[in-house]
Amino acid sequence: DAGITQSPRHKVTETGTPVTLRCHQTENHRYMYWYRQDPGHGLRLIHYSYGVKDTDKGEVSDGYSVSRSKTEDFLLTLESATSSQTSVYFCAISESISPAYNEQFFGPGTRLTVL
Amino acid sequence: AQKVTQAQTEISVVEKEDVTLDCVYETRDTTYYLFWYKQPPSGELVFLIRRNSFDEQNEISGRYSWNFQKSTSSFNFTITASQVVDSAVYFCALSEARNNDMRFGAGTRLTVKP
Repeated sequence: DAGITQSPRHKVTETGTPVTLRCHQTENHRYMYWYRQDPGHGLRLIHYSYGVKDTDKGEVSDGYSVSRSKTEDFLLTLESATSSQTSVYFCAISESISPAYNEQFFGPGTRLTVL
Repeated sequence: AQKVTQAQTEISVVEKEDVTLDCVYETRDTTYYLFWYKQPPSGELVFLIRRNSFDEQNEISGRYSWNFQKSTSSFNFTITASQVVDSAVYFCALSEARNNDMRFGAGTRLTVKP
């Protein structure tokens, strides 16, 4: 199994509070991704990173920011959480060459509830 | 942008039945990649297969087989002689060579009853 951990695994927070989710990998893969999973939508890409300090937006990036200061860590921040951001968040990684070609390996997920 | 449609929201079968999960995709790119992932009740996502747009050869792996047809923009997944352990949500996904945005279908929840 790919070495990907996510923390926390579960979090309950209140509307308007900031939240940071962490993804940590031990595979030294260049590409890292954040997805959210919601019923009826499958997984949707929030942001991704193609190297340290190199990030780009995905399909549903509004309300989220990311940072990557080290190869192994990719942080997802909700600056002011809203109830619509209640979801399961997955981190994924893929190898450097031809990211579109390579399969992504997923972390265990973080269940976030915003009250 | 690319799009993946899994029209079957839920499927229920009895063990040992064959079942086919449908996946239809849309893309303007000539080079693209199709994937299937499995999400068992435990929640993790497991990679099953990748197929590139230039390889329409069908693939069989044990009880699993995949049928890729560019003419109908479909990449269907068949499980032969289903087992209870096959119960999961299955996602079809598409990525285009020109970007890093993998698009997933909404998923098909398969329940295999003993």
